[in-house]
Amino acid sequence: QVQLVQSGAEVKKPGASVKVSCKASGYTFTRLTLQWVRQAPGQGLEWMGWINAGNGNTKYSQKLQGRVTFTRDTSASTAYMEVSSLRSEDTAVYYCARNNDWGYMDVWGKGTTVTVSS
Amino acid sequence: DVVMTQSPDSLAVSLGERATINCKSSRSVLYSSNNKNYLAWYQQRPGQPPQLLIYWASTRESGVPDRFSGSGSGTDFTLTISSLQAEDVAIYYCQQYYDSPLTFGGGTKVEIK
Repeated sequence: QVQLVQSGAEVKKPGASVKVSCKASGYTFTRLTLQWVRQAPGQGLEWMGWINAGNGNTKYSQKLQGRVTFTRDTSASTAYMEVSSLRSEDTAVYYCARNNDWGYMDVWGKGTTVTVSS
Repeated sequence: DVVMTQSPDSLAVSLGERATINCKSSRSVLYSSNNKNYLAWYQQRPGQPPQLLIYWASTRESGVPDRFSGSGSGTDFTLTISSLQAEDVAIYYCQQYYDSPLTFGGGTKVEIK
């Protein structure tokens, strides 16, 4: 079955960077786009952007542009999300989600908790 | 950006009763060339990732119980749970995929009365 398996929880200091992985299985990785969405504690869902797993094209939310980078390793069917210059406001659960051909997200990873604390 | 506004913020419904959640977009998400509304609904149970329930405003995802239904067009949409079950306790989000950036509603928390 289609699965997205994310890396484990991270605790980082302000100013540091974090890199989260999302390993896909059960479908052809390069055929679809992966979205990244985050959720601060007790808050709603915030779209971060996407990466086209086939050609590597990316789009970032304006809010995070310049601090977030999406990459992928097609040989490992894995996508990566890196956030730099971490702030306390970046404390959240980070989700990867498979974007079908149209823009809705039909499969989600379980999430990676990133805590930014001094 | 297309702003998605959900109402109510929360609601408590008795088991077996109907729950209705509204979602309004700041501009139409109906694409005229294919007559499709680019609107999805997700369910997020406590401690779980979101799960797709509905796409194209009214198409149920495979495996979603038929007590869940979506309706509406243009800027006004509704998610209805026809007979609330205990496992439906969750936060429900609408999301538009008509335009970038993708945007979500603020969520509606559904509880048992």
